[in-house]
Amino acid sequence: DAKTTQPPSMDCAEGRAANLPCNHSTISGNEYVYWYRQIHSQGPQYIIHGLKNNETNEMASLIITEDRKSSTLILPHATLRDTAVYYCIVSWGSGNTGKLIFGQGTTLQVKP
Amino acid sequence: DAGITQSPRHKVTETGTPVTLRCHQTENHRYMYWYRQDPGHGLRLIHYSYGVKDTDKGEVSDGYSVSRSKTEDFLLTLESATSSQTSVYFCAISEKSSGKNHEQFFGPGTRLTVL
Repeated sequence: DAKTTQPPSMDCAEGRAANLPCNHSTISGNEYVYWYRQIHSQGPQYIIHGLKNNETNEMASLIITEDRKSSTLILPHATLRDTAVYYCIVSWGSGNTGKLIFGQGTTLQVKP
Repeated sequence: DAGITQSPRHKVTETGTPVTLRCHQTENHRYMYWYRQDPGHGLRLIHYSYGVKDTDKGEVSDGYSVSRSKTEDFLLTLESATSSQTSVYFCAISEKSSGKNHEQFFGPGTRLTVL
């Protein structure tokens, strides 16, 4: 699985968009980009994933560059409850195991 | 929320004793995983299962064994607990479908302290 690089921490003002970057320059053609988050002491929570196209769901948007070497998770209107560690993970989407390799993630602090 | 429970939620034990953690799901998902989380390491995969009686090692499997005799239960056993196994343990489940193989649902975690 490809390695990802994320900034260790970011701040965001409440109500503003939070843009969390992720570099995955060694991603291969069949690897998906997944985003999870972990709110303090809880189990991680799936947010969104994508292969090539941009994706949007009720929680967030995922923007993947054309060369797929980086992506950005967008929380359109961050709230205090979005304060969490956000993990960007690259892995096979059609593999038979579904193993995820978590890195250190980005700690997002949403401030009033 | 996905129906995943872990038991016990907290446990304190002594070095050298056996410990078994249980993960129970009501979603009938095929895949189950055990992770541990330690400060400075994020989540690391211990073992996983891709069906009843089908298991395999993750990246930090030494000192751990697992069993899955039923779809709904995945047991993690520390045969002889050591202080280095003090950690928070998370169970996760997923169901393979097109493009969603890695959409995992996590349990609430078990905090294990080995004295």
